[in-house]
Amino acid sequence: GAGVSQSPSNKVTEKGKDVELRCDPISGHTALYWYRQSLGQGLEFLIYFQGNSAPDKSGLPSDRFSAERTGGSVSTLTIQRTQQEDSAVYLCASSRGGGRAGSPLHFGNGTRLTVT
Amino acid sequence: DQQVKQNSPSLSVQEGRISILNCDYTNSMFDYFLWYKKYPAEGPTFLISISSIKDKNEDGRFTVFLNKSAKHLSLHIVPSQPGDSAVYFCAASANNDMRFGAGTRLTVKP
Repeated sequence: GAGVSQSPSNKVTEKGKDVELRCDPISGHTALYWYRQSLGQGLEFLIYFQGNSAPDKSGLPSDRFSAERTGGSVSTLTIQRTQQEDSAVYLCASSRGGGRAGSPLHFGNGTRLTVT
Repeated sequence: DQQVKQNSPSLSVQEGRISILNCDYTNSMFDYFLWYKKYPAEGPTFLISISSIKDKNEDGRFTVFLNKSAKHLSLHIVPSQPGDSAVYFCAASANNDMRFGAGTRLTVKP
């Protein structure tokens, strides 16, 4: 019964480099979310995948951010040409389907990204 | 736009007393409300939820109250314990979209 797994747990990168963050959701969970938490801030919604539907990308802060979910399972969040303001903890969560009370989100421990 | 707001960044209570965490929302389409608890270096974990058709849900020491007319919900923890010290996030869901507040850091003093 593994939970949501995220890798790497920590990533330090230089400004201008690209980074990829990985999320392995709980097996059988059809919904997958990416959030980020900047220092002293709440959880900022980035993107949501549900089954084979087109993802909800409304939270992505710029076109430098993209995400994909292959085979309805593993997801990768890519940040191109990183900037210092991208420094944050990036959290992935999955659920059986949507955010209803019967299927709350299960979060990974996050990837702490530091852009120097 | 902040659709879910937690206006108190921190709260400190004495062990054994009641902790009350508050949350306000703006989107009347939200139909489920959830509270998550977060310890340092861990992801948030689900604590308790309530459907918009109810006004109260209780689970042990935790009770969530919903006031739809005021677009306000609160989490009551009684009695508070030192192990409850964490950041508490309020979340609201509409269809398959879930939005979070900024969190309230609760400190329970022994």
